[in-house]
Amino acid sequence: QKEVEQNSGPLSVPEGAIASLNCTYSDRGSQSFFWYRQYSGKSPELIMFIYSNGDKEDGRFTAQLNKASQYVSLLIRDSQPSDSATYLCAVNAGAGSYQLTFGKGTKLSVIP
Amino acid sequence: ETGVTQSPTHLIKTRGQQVTLRCSSQSGHNTVSWYQQALGQGPQFIFQYYREEENGRGNFPPRFSGLQFPNYSSELNVNALELDDSALYLCASSRGTGGGGYTFGSGTRLTVV
Repeated sequence: QKEVEQNSGPLSVPEGAIASLNCTYSDRGSQSFFWYRQYSGKSPELIMFIYSNGDKEDGRFTAQLNKASQYVSLLIRDSQPSDSATYLCAVNAGAGSYQLTFGKGTKLSVIP
Repeated sequence: ETGVTQSPTHLIKTRGQQVTLRCSSQSGHNTVSWYQQALGQGPQFIFQYYREEENGRGNFPPRFSGLQFPNYSSELNVNALELDDSALYLCASSRGTGGGGYTFGSGTRLTVV
Protein backbone atom coordinates (compact mmCIF):
# COMPACT_ATOMS: atom_id res chain seq x y z
CA GLN A 1 0.00 0.00 0.00
CA LYS A 2 1.65 3.19 -1.20
CA GLU A 3 1.23 5.99 1.31
CA VAL A 4 1.88 9.71 1.32
CA GLU A 5 1.90 11.42 4.71
CA GLN A 6 1.43 15.10 5.46
CA ASN A 7 0.76 17.03 8.65
CA SER A 8 -2.86 18.13 8.41
CA GLY A 9 -2.19 21.44 10.13
CA PRO A 10 -3.44 24.01 10.28
CA LEU A 11 -0.09 25.70 9.79
CA SER A 12 -0.29 29.39 10.60
CA VAL A 13 2.41 31.83 9.51
CA PRO A 14 2.48 35.63 9.54
CA GLU A 15 2.39 37.53 6.27
CA GLY A 16 5.87 37.83 4.78
CA ALA A 17 7.25 34.76 6.56
CA ILE A 18 8.43 31.49 5.04
CA ALA A 19 5.92 28.63 5.11
CA SER A 20 7.40 25.14 5.14
CA LEU A 21 5.24 22.19 4.12
CA ASN A 22 6.47 18.64 4.45
CA CYS A 23 5.61 15.27 2.96
CA THR A 24 6.93 11.73 3.29
CA TYR A 25 6.19 8.79 1.02
CA SER A 26 6.46 5.05 1.46
CA ASP A 27 7.24 3.77 -2.05
CA ARG A 28 11.01 3.99 -2.50
CA GLY A 29 10.54 3.50 -6.26
CA SER A 30 8.59 6.73 -6.65
CA GLN A 31 10.05 9.02 -9.26
CA SER A 32 7.83 12.09 -9.69
CA PHE A 33 6.59 14.44 -7.01
CA PHE A 34 3.97 17.14 -7.19
CA TRP A 35 2.54 19.92 -5.08
CA TYR A 36 -1.03 21.02 -5.63
CA ARG A 37 -2.80 23.96 -4.04
CA GLN A 38 -6.51 23.66 -3.30
CA TYR A 39 -8.67 26.56 -2.23
CA SER A 40 -11.77 25.72 -0.25
CA GLY A 41 -14.50 24.39 -2.52
CA LYS A 42 -12.24 24.39 -5.59
CA SER A 43 -10.29 21.73 -7.46
CA PRO A 44 -6.54 21.15 -6.96
CA GLU A 45 -4.16 23.34 -8.96
CA LEU A 46 -0.66 22.13 -9.86
CA ILE A 47 1.98 24.55 -8.58
CA MET A 48 5.26 22.60 -8.61
CA PHE A 49 6.76 19.31 -9.68
CA ILE A 50 10.19 17.83 -9.02
CA TYR A 51 11.90 14.70 -10.29
CA SER A 52 15.51 14.96 -9.10
CA ASN A 53 17.12 15.23 -5.70
CA GLY A 54 17.77 18.77 -4.60
CA ASP A 55 15.92 22.05 -4.89
CA LYS A 56 13.75 23.48 -7.63
CA GLU A 57 12.69 27.11 -7.50
CA ASP A 58 9.79 28.82 -9.23
CA GLY A 59 9.13 32.37 -8.09
CA ARG A 60 8.28 32.35 -4.39
CA PHE A 61 8.03 28.56 -4.34
CA THR A 62 10.85 26.06 -3.78
CA ALA A 63 10.36 22.31 -3.88
CA GLN A 64 12.96 20.14 -2.17
CA LEU A 65 13.40 16.41 -2.73
CA ASN A 66 15.47 13.89 -0.79
CA LYS A 67 14.88 10.40 -2.19
CA ALA A 68 17.16 8.72 0.34
CA SER A 69 14.97 10.04 3.15
CA GLN A 70 11.76 9.68 1.08
CA TYR A 71 10.97 13.27 1.85
CA VAL A 72 9.69 16.15 -0.23
CA SER A 73 8.94 19.67 0.94
CA LEU A 74 7.55 22.95 -0.34
CA LEU A 75 8.80 26.32 0.85
CA ILE A 76 6.75 29.45 0.22
CA ARG A 77 8.72 32.65 0.68
CA ASP A 78 7.14 36.01 1.46
CA SER A 79 3.84 34.29 2.28
CA GLN A 80 0.72 36.23 1.33
CA PRO A 81 -2.86 35.89 2.63
CA SER A 82 -3.77 34.64 -0.85
CA ASP A 83 -1.52 31.62 -0.21
CA SER A 84 -3.98 30.44 2.44
CA ALA A 85 -5.19 27.09 1.11
CA THR A 86 -4.70 23.35 1.51
CA TYR A 87 -1.49 22.05 -0.05
CA LEU A 88 -1.57 18.50 -1.39
CA CYS A 89 1.55 16.41 -1.92
CA ALA A 90 1.26 13.79 -4.67
CA VAL A 91 3.57 11.03 -5.80
CA ASN A 92 3.77 9.14 -9.07
CA ALA A 93 5.68 5.92 -9.57
CA GLY A 94 7.32 7.24 -12.70
CA ALA A 95 7.62 6.46 -16.39
CA GLY A 96 4.52 4.71 -17.67
CA SER A 97 2.74 5.02 -14.35
CA TYR A 98 -0.65 6.59 -14.48
CA GLN A 99 -1.66 6.95 -10.87
CA LEU A 100 -1.06 9.80 -8.46
CA THR A 101 -1.14 8.98 -4.75
CA PHE A 102 -2.08 12.03 -2.71
CA GLY A 103 -1.56 12.93 0.90
CA LYS A 104 -4.46 14.34 2.91
CA GLY A 105 -3.07 17.84 2.59
CA THR A 106 -1.79 20.53 4.93
CA LYS A 107 -4.00 23.55 5.56
CA LEU A 108 -1.98 26.77 5.51
CA SER A 109 -3.24 30.04 6.99
CA VAL A 110 -1.25 33.21 6.33
CA ILE A 111 -2.14 35.82 8.94
CA PRO A 112 -2.09 39.46 7.76
CA GLU B 1 -7.14 26.28 -25.70
CA THR B 2 -10.03 25.07 -23.58
CA GLY B 3 -9.36 23.43 -20.24
CA VAL B 4 -10.95 20.39 -18.64
CA THR B 5 -14.67 20.85 -18.16
CA GLN B 6 -16.96 18.77 -15.97
CA SER B 7 -20.71 18.56 -15.64
CA PRO B 8 -22.80 18.89 -13.66
CA THR B 9 -21.16 21.03 -10.97
CA HIS B 10 -23.44 19.82 -8.20
CA LEU B 11 -25.71 16.81 -7.88
CA ILE B 12 -27.93 15.35 -5.19
CA LYS B 13 -28.95 11.70 -5.46
CA THR B 14 -30.73 9.19 -3.26
CA ARG B 15 -29.04 6.09 -1.93
CA GLY B 16 -29.44 3.20 -4.40
CA GLN B 17 -29.73 5.44 -7.44
CA GLN B 18 -27.32 5.61 -10.36
CA VAL B 19 -25.37 8.67 -11.51
CA THR B 20 -23.38 9.69 -14.59
CA LEU B 21 -20.73 12.39 -14.45
CA ARG B 22 -19.18 13.89 -17.57
CA CYS B 23 -15.77 15.27 -18.49
CA SER B 24 -14.48 16.99 -21.60
CA SER B 25 -10.73 16.73 -21.89
CA GLN B 26 -8.38 19.58 -22.70
CA SER B 27 -7.67 20.07 -26.39
CA GLY B 28 -4.93 17.71 -27.60
CA HIS B 29 -5.22 15.39 -24.60
CA ASN B 30 -6.07 11.72 -25.19
CA THR B 31 -6.11 10.40 -21.62
CA VAL B 32 -8.64 10.99 -18.86
CA SER B 33 -8.21 10.09 -15.19
CA TRP B 34 -10.92 10.19 -12.54
CA TYR B 35 -10.38 10.86 -8.84
CA GLN B 36 -12.68 10.89 -5.81
CA GLN B 37 -12.04 13.40 -3.04
CA ALA B 38 -13.97 12.94 0.20
CA LEU B 39 -14.19 15.86 2.59
CA GLY B 40 -10.89 16.44 4.39
CA GLN B 41 -9.06 13.84 2.31
CA GLY B 42 -6.74 13.89 -0.66
CA PRO B 43 -8.01 12.75 -4.05
CA GLN B 44 -8.08 8.98 -4.61
CA PHE B 45 -7.49 7.44 -8.02
CA ILE B 46 -10.54 5.69 -9.48
CA PHE B 47 -9.40 4.80 -13.01
CA GLN B 48 -7.82 6.09 -16.19
CA TYR B 49 -8.97 5.83 -19.80
CA TYR B 50 -6.61 5.92 -22.76
CA ARG B 51 -7.78 5.53 -26.34
CA GLU B 52 -11.25 4.47 -25.17
CA GLU B 53 -10.01 1.64 -22.93
CA GLU B 54 -9.52 1.42 -19.17
CA ASN B 55 -5.79 1.74 -18.59
CA GLY B 56 -5.64 1.24 -14.84
CA ARG B 57 -7.90 1.15 -11.83
CA GLY B 58 -7.66 2.06 -8.17
CA ASN B 59 -9.28 0.33 -5.23
CA PHE B 60 -12.89 1.00 -6.17
CA PRO B 61 -15.69 -1.59 -6.58
CA PRO B 62 -17.10 -2.57 -10.00
CA ARG B 63 -20.14 -0.34 -9.49
CA PHE B 64 -17.78 2.47 -10.47
CA SER B 65 -17.41 2.26 -14.24
CA GLY B 66 -16.47 4.55 -17.05
CA LEU B 67 -16.34 5.25 -20.74
CA GLN B 68 -14.15 7.25 -23.04
CA PHE B 69 -15.46 8.42 -26.38
CA PRO B 70 -13.63 8.91 -29.71
CA ASN B 71 -13.34 12.64 -28.99
CA TYR B 72 -11.59 11.68 -25.71
CA SER B 73 -14.38 12.96 -23.49
CA SER B 74 -15.34 10.61 -20.68
CA GLU B 75 -18.10 9.52 -18.35
CA LEU B 76 -17.97 8.15 -14.83
CA ASN B 77 -20.92 6.00 -13.84
CA VAL B 78 -21.70 4.94 -10.30
CA ASN B 79 -24.44 2.38 -9.64
CA ALA B 80 -26.22 1.59 -6.39
CA LEU B 81 -25.10 4.82 -4.74
CA GLU B 82 -24.07 4.67 -1.09
CA LEU B 83 -23.86 7.51 1.41
CA ASP B 84 -20.04 7.21 1.39
CA ASP B 85 -20.00 8.03 -2.32
CA SER B 86 -20.67 11.64 -1.37
CA ALA B 87 -17.54 13.44 -2.52
CA LEU B 88 -15.98 15.78 -5.06
CA TYR B 89 -15.31 13.87 -8.28
CA LEU B 90 -12.38 15.22 -10.25
CA CYS B 91 -11.45 14.60 -13.84
CA ALA B 92 -7.97 15.21 -15.22
CA SER B 93 -6.79 14.98 -18.78
CA SER B 94 -3.29 14.51 -20.12
CA ARG B 95 -1.36 13.76 -23.27
CA GLY B 96 -0.28 10.17 -22.80
CA THR B 97 -0.66 7.94 -19.80
CA GLY B 98 2.34 8.71 -17.70
CA GLY B 99 3.75 11.70 -15.88
CA GLY B 100 1.07 12.83 -13.54
CA GLY B 101 1.26 16.58 -13.59
CA TYR B 102 -2.40 16.75 -14.28
CA THR B 103 -4.70 19.68 -14.81
CA PHE B 104 -7.95 18.97 -13.01
CA GLY B 105 -11.39 20.10 -14.00
CA SER B 106 -13.49 22.06 -11.54
CA GLY B 107 -15.12 18.88 -10.29
CA THR B 108 -18.61 17.58 -9.61
CA ARG B 109 -19.86 17.71 -6.03
CA LEU B 110 -22.04 14.63 -5.47
CA THR B 111 -24.21 14.38 -2.39
CA VAL B 112 -25.96 11.09 -1.65
CA VAL B 113 -28.85 11.30 0.80
